Amino acid sequence: AQKVTQAQTEISVVEKEDVTLDCVYETRDTTYYLFWYKQPPSGELVFLIRRNSFDEQNEISGRYSWNFQKSTSSFNFTITASQVVDSAVYFCALSEASTSYGKLTFGQGTILTVHP
Amino acid sequence: NAGVTQTPKFQVLKTGQSMTLQCAQDMNHNSMYWYRQDPGMGLRLIYYSASEGTTDKGEVPNGYNVSRLNKREFSLRLESAAPSQTSVYFCASTRDRSLAAEKLFFGSGTQLSVL
Repeated sequence: AQKVTQAQTEISVVEKEDVTLDCVYETRDTTYYLFWYKQPPSGELVFLIRRNSFDEQNEISGRYSWNFQKSTSSFNFTITASQVVDSAVYFCALSEASTSYGKLTFGQGTILTVHP
Repeated sequence: NAGVTQTPKFQVLKTGQSMTLQCAQDMNHNSMYWYRQDPGMGLRLIYYSASEGTTDKGEVPNGYNVSRLNKREFSLRLESAAPSQTSVYFCASTRDRSLAAEKLFFGSGTQLSVL
């Protein structure tokens, strides 16, 4: 069965600090997809990134970067020079290609608070 | 662009009451989903509709029913609300049923309290 664990329930940092959000997943599939979603205080969920299991290249988008390591089943998310606007709940999610309808399993979420 | 629209945004029910959550998308997506979000549990899939005319149970379907009214609309009904159904409900859609590679587009959520 697929499972996603975000062990950090809450993280609090001061603006301009770097912060890493951990995500560990479990799956028996060889083909799967990993996602990160952001939920700001307004409540809607916003897609950040998608990664497939065959692409272990790290990705950088502005202040955001993602580190995918199959050897440790992890897909961690780093925010460099954090800003108050980064305050949100962040969800990691997993989808297995073998599932008939592509069930997306979410982690519990990490609440990030960035203080000015 | 409207994207995925959910109504209502807030609702308070008494135990045993019924209600329907409405969801509509204007992106011509084939697949639609209902999730619930509870503290410390992430989002869990209630029901989904891979395409117009089909619906299937997700992870936590008990106490809910759904209707895929047409390609745009997917409603979630609570026939007899229970306090355990207090949650934030999200509707989502994807272009294709093959969600493995597709990202979800979410509505803004409905905060439901059952007293």
